[in-house]
Amino acid sequence: EDKVVQSPLSLVVHEGDTVTLNCSYEVTNFRSLLWYKQEKKAPTFLFMLTSSGIEKKSGRLSSILDKKELFSILNITATQTGDSAIYLCALYPPGGGNKLTFGTGTQLKVEL
Amino acid sequence: EPEVTQTPSHQVTQMGQEVILRCVPISNHLYFYWYRQILGQKVEFLVSFYNNEISEKSEIFDDQFSVERPDGSNFTLKIRSTKLEDSAMYFCASSEAASGSWLTDTQYFGPGTRLTVL
Repeated sequence: EDKVVQSPLSLVVHEGDTVTLNCSYEVTNFRSLLWYKQEKKAPTFLFMLTSSGIEKKSGRLSSILDKKELFSILNITATQTGDSAIYLCALYPPGGGNKLTFGTGTQLKVEL
Repeated sequence: EPEVTQTPSHQVTQMGQEVILRCVPISNHLYFYWYRQILGQKVEFLVSFYNNEISEKSEIFDDQFSVERPDGSNFTLKIRSTKLEDSAMYFCASSEAASGSWLTDTQYFGPGTRLTVL
């Protein structure tokens, strides 16, 4: 089974802090890596990363992929209480197929 | 903004009963998926569906599960004889394609149906 491991499992920060969430994987040849934010229910899409070293950015969130070292990071700057959620990393498999393999998730809590 | 919708939001059933979970994918999407998440565990792939047939399924998706696109808008997951261990959140997702392009491959998830088997 393709293995996707996220760290830390959970963390608590204060508003305004910057956080870095990690996703490491054991698959060396995959199509793309996705980040999702899961609040109460549905995972909502954040980023899809396909190429190594190219940063994707959306507001205070950014993400980058390192295919050589087999990891991706998700950065959130100037955190707000609304950033509190579970952040999920998922992989599309090598070759064809549309099955997403999810990591365990990182639970982020942002306090005032 | 188009979104995936699911009904019901919560379903409670007795063990051994059949349930049908319903989803309306985003209208121009061609690929449809079901995932489940048991409380406290990872989101797990169940099945993908394209062109009116299953394109891929996981080991979890055994003979008690089936999927159908009964009309041009709905996509359903049927569990024939529910077990206690089927209790989970079931997510439907859809994508425009699965071609390797970030524009079209992104899967968008619905709000989920929480299934409770008693």
